[in-house]
Order: sequence, then C-alpha cells, then structure tokens
Amino acid sequence: AQRVTQPEKLLSVFKGAPVELKCNYSYSGSPELFWYVQYSRQRLQLLLRHISRESIKGFTADLNKGETSFHLKKPFAQEEDSAMYYCALGTRKGGSEKLVFGKGTKLTVNP
Amino acid sequence: EPEVTQTPSHQVTQMGQEVILRCVPISNHLYFYWYRQILGQKVEFLVSFYNNEISEKSEIFDDQFSVERPDGSNFTLKIRSTKLEDSAMYFCASKWGATNEKLFFGSGTQLSVL
Repeated sequence: AQRVTQPEKLLSVFKGAPVELKCNYSYSGSPELFWYVQYSRQRLQLLLRHISRESIKGFTADLNKGETSFHLKKPFAQEEDSAMYYCALGTRKGGSEKLVFGKGTKLTVNP
Repeated sequence: EPEVTQTPSHQVTQMGQEVILRCVPISNHLYFYWYRQILGQKVEFLVSFYNNEISEKSEIFDDQFSVERPDGSNFTLKIRSTKLEDSAMYFCASKWGATNEKLFFGSGTQLSVL
C-alpha cells in the first residue's frame, strides 16, 4: 500500500523555537519523498525533495528508510514559516509517476 | 518563475451539469496532472497525462471524468454529470521530465456542486 502519514494536523510554536513536522510513509518500491508548502492564499509549491539533499529556507529533511520517515526540521522557526505543509511520496506504476500526499500539517509560528 | 494557470478560480454548478475546468501548463512541460482536495481532506491524485494519452488514473477518475489537451497549450478536465461529492478544489500540475522533477501546481479551481 502507498500511504503517507502526517500525524499532526496542527502545530504551533513560538518564533525562534525549533520545529519538526513528522512524516511517515509506506511504500514497497524505492521511495522518493517531497515536502510541499502552501502559504495562505497561494499555490502548492515544492519546498524540498530528499534526492536533492538541500536546505531551503532553513528547512531540512532526511530520509530514514529504517523508520520509513521523512521529517521536516528547522532549528529556528520564523513567523513567515506559517503555512500548510504536505509530505508527499512519489510512486511509479509502469512508466507513470504520481504523488501520494499526506493530510498536511498546519504550522503556526507565533511572535 | 513560470506558472501553471487555471480558470476559473471558482465554479458553481448544479448537480447533473457538465463542467470543464481549464488549465494552461508551463509551455515546455510534457507531463500533466489533475489532483483534487475535498475540504478538510488530503490532496488526491486523479489522472496523469503524457504524450497525448492518459498514463494513469485513480479509482476516483470514473467514466464521468475525461481529460483533453485540445490545442497543445490547454489541458482540460471535464466532469460530464456532476455530483455533490465532486465539490472540491481541483489542482492542475505539470512538469518537464519524468523522474524527480519539480511538479508545478496551479492555484486551483474551487468547484461547488449544488
């Protein structure tokens, strides 16, 4: 089964505090994991993908195949990080690819 | 940065009516998608489209749904006879390549079926 679980629907932290948004996946194939973000009244946009091993806006995420996790972390949250965050699993069927999304976590960073 | 454009932003229709949701993907992209998000639920895959044919479709994408790329720029989703449960935000997305490529999303069409 292909499944992405984001256990926290809502997450609230204070500015400057560390933040971790959890994501676990279930997939029998070789996983490709992504984090998408949706700021208020804006479109879904890619934040980062595991294969790039990059840090975007101070966020990082490490793929842990043993724990089937891809948690998103930032050491010092900023107010502008407040948004909806979606973890997504890239799956392949034949020559076709699609994303399977988690339900999302709404992050609120308080001043 | 180039954008995927969707029109209309909101569509209200009566149950049983046909609707066409329109999308203009980024011009050099080759892979096209429709996703939807029912209020309070997760973003769900509907269909993928490549080389002028459907690559994959979900079980949501039944005979009432169809997609078309009529003129090389537009990518449309048609719902032939809408149901109340079709009410959702519909997102179009596109990307250039097959593997690990960034998927660009449109801003969505909010469909309300009354």
